[in-house]
Amino acid sequence: NAGVTQTPKFRILKIGQSMTLQCTQDMNHNYMYWYRQDPGMGLKLIYYSVGAGITDKGEVPNGYNVSRSTTEDFPLRLELAAPSQTSVYFCASRRTSGRPDTQYFGPGTRLTVL
Amino acid sequence: DQQVKQNSPSLSVQEGRISILNCDYTNSMFDYFLWYKKYPAEGPTFLISISSIKDKNEDGRFTVFLNKSAKHLSLHIVPSQPGDSAVYFCAANNNNDMRFGAGTRLTVKP
Repeated sequence: NAGVTQTPKFRILKIGQSMTLQCTQDMNHNYMYWYRQDPGMGLKLIYYSVGAGITDKGEVPNGYNVSRSTTEDFPLRLELAAPSQTSVYFCASRRTSGRPDTQYFGPGTRLTVL
Repeated sequence: DQQVKQNSPSLSVQEGRISILNCDYTNSMFDYFLWYKKYPAEGPTFLISISSIKDKNEDGRFTVFLNKSAKHLSLHIVPSQPGDSAVYFCAANNNNDMRFGAGTRLTVKP
């Protein structure tokens, strides 16, 4: 069991470029989440999905898009990268039922936009 | 709006002593509270949680206390060990809305 994996680990983008952050989980979890963590701040929810084909906005969705075509994958797309999107991005997943503490996090992707 | 606040960015304690990490929240709709631990270059890992219907939950060296009237929770670690050195996040949940505090960096000195 690899759990939640994220690629890449690090990336530097120029302003205006686009990229996709990959997230895959092998635990057959229906719920998946994308968070960002800015320096000195807590994690903020960008988007989440309760199952394949279903996505919804979180607290800070502007500038991002997501898709969920399979149970395993939940990619996060950045179009027209901006310096404000410099952050560490965490993907997470959990079972459908059960308490929120069943949420498992990936190791994170550190993104810098210059 | 910062609905979950951890006002102490850092805490240093001696090995064997008690560590007390504090967290305040503003939204009375939160019904589940969690503490996560995070090491550098890793994602947060779940540590301990408490439902709003309880005021205490204990798991080994870790105890979480919830004071709903004060909208305050705390994490006690007894005894503290050097391996407990990490960043601790508190989180509060209501349905799919999970809000995190900014974290407290705990350093346990040998």
